[in-house]
Amino acid sequence: QKEVEQNSGPLSVPEGAIASLNCTYSDRGSQSFFWYRQYSGKSPELIMFIYSNGDKEDGRFTAQLNKASQYVSLLIRDSQPSDSATYLCAVNPAPSNTGKLIFGQGTTLQVKP
Amino acid sequence: DAGVIQSPRHEVTEMGQEVTLRCKPISGHNSLFWYRQTMMRGLELLIYFNNNVPIDDSGMPEDRFSAKMPNASFSTLKIQPSEPRDSAVYFCASKPVTDTQYFGPGTRLTVL
Repeated sequence: QKEVEQNSGPLSVPEGAIASLNCTYSDRGSQSFFWYRQYSGKSPELIMFIYSNGDKEDGRFTAQLNKASQYVSLLIRDSQPSDSATYLCAVNPAPSNTGKLIFGQGTTLQVKP
Repeated sequence: DAGVIQSPRHEVTEMGQEVTLRCKPISGHNSLFWYRQTMMRGLELLIYFNNNVPIDDSGMPEDRFSAKMPNASFSTLKIQPSEPRDSAVYFCASKPVTDTQYFGPGTRLTVL
């Protein structure tokens, strides 16, 4: 069973702080990794994707990938109350050409003003 | 450009009734995915299609669930007969060849 694990939270941070969201996955053959944000009552929306080891930055968001440790994280700098949502980690397991995604349970982030 | 369209947005039905959920993917996308989301189990992939062909239906919970994609612009997920444990939000997502999945707004299903 290919799994994606996340701490369900809630993770509470003050406005302006850095929020760190973590995810581990079981399938070593996984090639691509995604972070989705889901507001309450809404559908998931893509924030970032990462394919290579290291960091990838997009505005206030940084995705980090360590394939050896089977670990992917999302950092949100200067957190805002509007960032309060559930963040879903998703992994494209091997074979990677299917487009199939396995989602974690999600981490709920609360940013307090 | 319109996103993924799902209908109905809300469905309330009684146990034993047939339920049909509908999805129109984004034009030009060649893959379509059906998910179910509950508090207990999170977001689960039920089935996905590539070029209208079902590729992996291992997530379909049982024979009461069936899905079809008769053409590139339409898919249905049918539950017959429905049970209270089927209550969930059902999402459809579509994907082009070289990009990731885009989700529809979902259908909230309540089976009484």
